[in-house]
Amino acid sequence: SSELTQDPAVSVALGQTVRITCQGDSLRSYYASWYQQKPGQAPVLVIYGKNNRPSGIPDRFSGSSSGNTASLTITGAQAEDEADYYCNSRDSSGNHRVFGTGTKVTVL
Amino acid sequence: QVQLQESGPGLVKPSETLSLTCTVSGGSISSYYWSWIRQPPGKGLEWIGYIYYSGSTNYNPSLKSRVTISVDTSKNQFSLKLSSVTAADTAVYYCARDQEGYTRGGGSNWFDPWGQGTLVTVSS
Repeated sequence: SSELTQDPAVSVALGQTVRITCQGDSLRSYYASWYQQKPGQAPVLVIYGKNNRPSGIPDRFSGSSSGNTASLTITGAQAEDEADYYCNSRDSSGNHRVFGTGTKVTVL
Repeated sequence: QVQLQESGPGLVKPSETLSLTCTVSGGSISSYYWSWIRQPPGKGLEWIGYIYYSGSTNYNPSLKSRVTISVDTSKNQFSLKLSSVTAADTAVYYCARDQEGYTRGGGSNWFDPWGQGTLVTVSS
């Protein structure tokens, strides 16, 4: 089982704000990275490090961290943001990569 | 920009060895980590392991006994071998560039870019 836990599903009204969380002991020492995956497509990096967006990722995506919880916030969600979102960081030993369980975001 | 492409058989028999290659184009394989990640149908992502361009490796403990990742810098490729496969190994297999960073606030790693993925089915 994954050492990073996410809520299975969240929904957000079009144009509103949604926060997706990722919990795990390793997050006290390591930042999470976040990935968006649409059906039939490879995951795409949206946030890495403390709060860095790769080129081409809209600024409505932001990341934060507190204690054992990392968060991805979508401010002003758009229809195209409907997707699965995964966090990634280290396992509790800090030696291996691990993914979160994933969150399905529905935009209403 | 850097692009990755997985290649290999789409069908593997139970108990045999799954072999995939990832070709890196648009940049050098040097100075980075390179990971394999898989996703069973309808399920989440699982990190399999990485290789540094120099050849050092790190594997998921749950797969370590069956996984070998190797690199061929002359061809700008890295490869995955997974032995003794079962139906549970049926998945889309992705390769990705794996980067690390460290700041006063902590360390981090991220995967970017990814290959498009290749479905490997384990069946007789």
